[in-house]
Amino acid sequence: GQNIDQPTEMTATEGAIVQINCTYQTSGFNGLFWYQQHAGEAPTFLSYNVLDGLEEKGRFSSFLSRSKGYSYLLLKELQMKDSASYLCAVGSYGQNFVFGPGTRLSVLP
Amino acid sequence: SQTIHQWPATLVQPVGSPLSLECTVEGTSNPNLYWYRQAAGRGLQLLFYSVGIGQISSEVPQNLSASRPQDRQFILSSKKLLLSDSGFYLCAWSPTSAKETQYFGPGTRLLVL
Repeated sequence: GQNIDQPTEMTATEGAIVQINCTYQTSGFNGLFWYQQHAGEAPTFLSYNVLDGLEEKGRFSSFLSRSKGYSYLLLKELQMKDSASYLCAVGSYGQNFVFGPGTRLSVLP
Repeated sequence: SQTIHQWPATLVQPVGSPLSLECTVEGTSNPNLYWYRQAAGRGLQLLFYSVGIGQISSEVPQNLSASRPQDRQFILSSKKLLLSDSGFYLCAWSPTSAKETQYFGPGTRLLVL
């Protein structure tokens, strides 16, 4: 089976940097995905890691360590519009995606 | 480019009534299709997935069913809705080459009263 953990809620200040962690246990790991979901809307894809290391996309970066079953999403220069839930999802060979419970991020002025 | 549509956007139904939610994908062929439900303040729960026409797999037992009558059409149904069926229903697709990134439709908000 698969098990994914994320912090339930986080708060940060506009302009700051925040790191959202995700730990997982799975067999046949095929990739780790991060999604952003604003309240009342569908999730939108942010990033994908299949190899160890850091993937950078503008203000957002995602890191993966397969040996540790650990990933994080790093958001820089936080803006108010970054207030949303951030979902970590793990893909495994022969199985479907499993989504984590999501981390609700509140960005304060 | 690929797009995914869902309708209706919002639905209010009485307990015991039937349900039909539709999802269609454009710009791709033979996609994997998925139905998820998200209860208020909760994570995404996979309900059904399909790898081809007429091929449906169910992840959880429930009073819902799914069908895929055409390559790019996925339908979620129920004969009799329960209060616990209320939630945000999301359809998603992914390429068939691998179980890669899933792309979500705009969702249907269902309230059963």
